[in-house]
Amino acid sequence: NAGVTQTPKFQVLKTGQSMTLQCAQDMNHEYMSWYRQDPGMGLRLIHYSVGAGITDQGEVPNGYNVSRSTTEDFPLRLLSAAPSQTSVYFCASSYVGQRNNEQFFGPGTRLTVL
Amino acid sequence: AQSVAQPEDQVNVAEGNPLTVKCTYSVSGNPYLFWYVQYPNRGLQFLLKYITGDNLVKGSYGFEAEFNKSQTSFHLKKPSALVSDSALYFCAVRDGAGTYKYIFGTGTRLKVLA
Repeated sequence: NAGVTQTPKFQVLKTGQSMTLQCAQDMNHEYMSWYRQDPGMGLRLIHYSVGAGITDQGEVPNGYNVSRSTTEDFPLRLLSAAPSQTSVYFCASSYVGQRNNEQFFGPGTRLTVL
Repeated sequence: AQSVAQPEDQVNVAEGNPLTVKCTYSVSGNPYLFWYVQYPNRGLQFLLKYITGDNLVKGSYGFEAEFNKSQTSFHLKKPSALVSDSALYFCAVRDGAGTYKYIFGTGTRLKVLA
């Protein structure tokens, strides 16, 4: 199993550009999520999904869109990048329910917006 | 609203000594509590969780944590620290009866001194 994969590893954008961060998992997990990690802020939930066709907002959803058309993929779209979106982005997945609900994290995408 | 507090930005401990990393939480329902570890330039890895049952839970790499409902705490402990335990540790909580929104603490950097 590859686990949770994220592409790209690094990205530099100019203000106003758009892009999509890719996330895929091969563990048949129902739950997938996106976080951003900023110094002193910990991880903050951007969006999450409990299954294909179902998405919901986390703590910091503004400026980001998601969709979940398959169980495996959960892309994160930045509509018009801003310097405040400079961060490290992590995708995670897990089963839902009480058992085996610990999240598996991808290696992260380091995004810089100039 | 859910919240997690990790009151210490950094904890220093000598190798071989016991270590404690503190976490307190607030949720309206029954808490699902998690500890994750992050090594430099890596994604987070699951250590242990409390969902229900015994208040003392054991996890990976010799770590354990005690759920204390009256003090709303879930402190991470290890009887004898190793230099290789040096990393960034995150506590996370979800309301078991609520949405799938996970809230992470700001992280505690553990430094084990040889």
